[in-house]
Amino acid sequence: GAVVSQHPSWVICKSGTSVKIECRSLDFQATTMFWYRQFPKQSLMLMATSNEGSKATYEQGVEKDKFLINHASLTLSTLTVTSAHPEDSSFYICSAREPGVLYNEQFFGPGTRLTVL
Amino acid sequence: DAKTTQPTSMDCAEGRAANLPCNHSTISGNEYVYWYRQIHSQGPQYIIHGLKNNETNEMASLIITEDRKSSTLILPHATLRDTAVYYCIVSPRGKLIFGQGTELSVKP
Repeated sequence: GAVVSQHPSWVICKSGTSVKIECRSLDFQATTMFWYRQFPKQSLMLMATSNEGSKATYEQGVEKDKFLINHASLTLSTLTVTSAHPEDSSFYICSAREPGVLYNEQFFGPGTRLTVL
Repeated sequence: DAKTTQPTSMDCAEGRAANLPCNHSTISGNEYVYWYRQIHSQGPQYIIHGLKNNETNEMASLIITEDRKSSTLILPHATLRDTAVYYCIVSPRGKLIFGQGTELSVKP
């Protein structure tokens, strides 16, 4: 299957700083990417849908000014957690979907573990 | 998107078939049934999907009832590496909304 990478795999930062997470589709072009967040012992929660060349669509309750998403190319989407606080500590996972596919198979990255001190 | 109901946890003996059920009684005509799994601290992995017909690939088989209100994922010969949380999701070509899934433990 197609490969999606994330960088970094883990990051520790101080409260109040911003953190950028990259999501790359390595062997296909992804017009649509998705960002999820997962707290310990919980399921994945969809945060936003990222479309190349347009603004991201955020799920209800997700602050778009806090979680900035940029999808500037067909292989790269970035999530920036601005002014991070300890409650933003979580496992962030991205996924990508191949264009033109009729069904909804998504390829997931390995995740980024964010710890805010 | 239609809601799914799965058992919270299941055990399976290594080498035996694992049968994971999923109820999706409110599924719409254009919604597919998807199965993903997540091994601890990793990103989810696509397993299989289907619309109406039963499907089989190198990982698993998917049996969908005729009324499409439920389905079963079958891992024919479970191994210890199949221990994971298995998610059943129904969705049209849009977002994947993850429920709580079934935590499958494969035991030696």
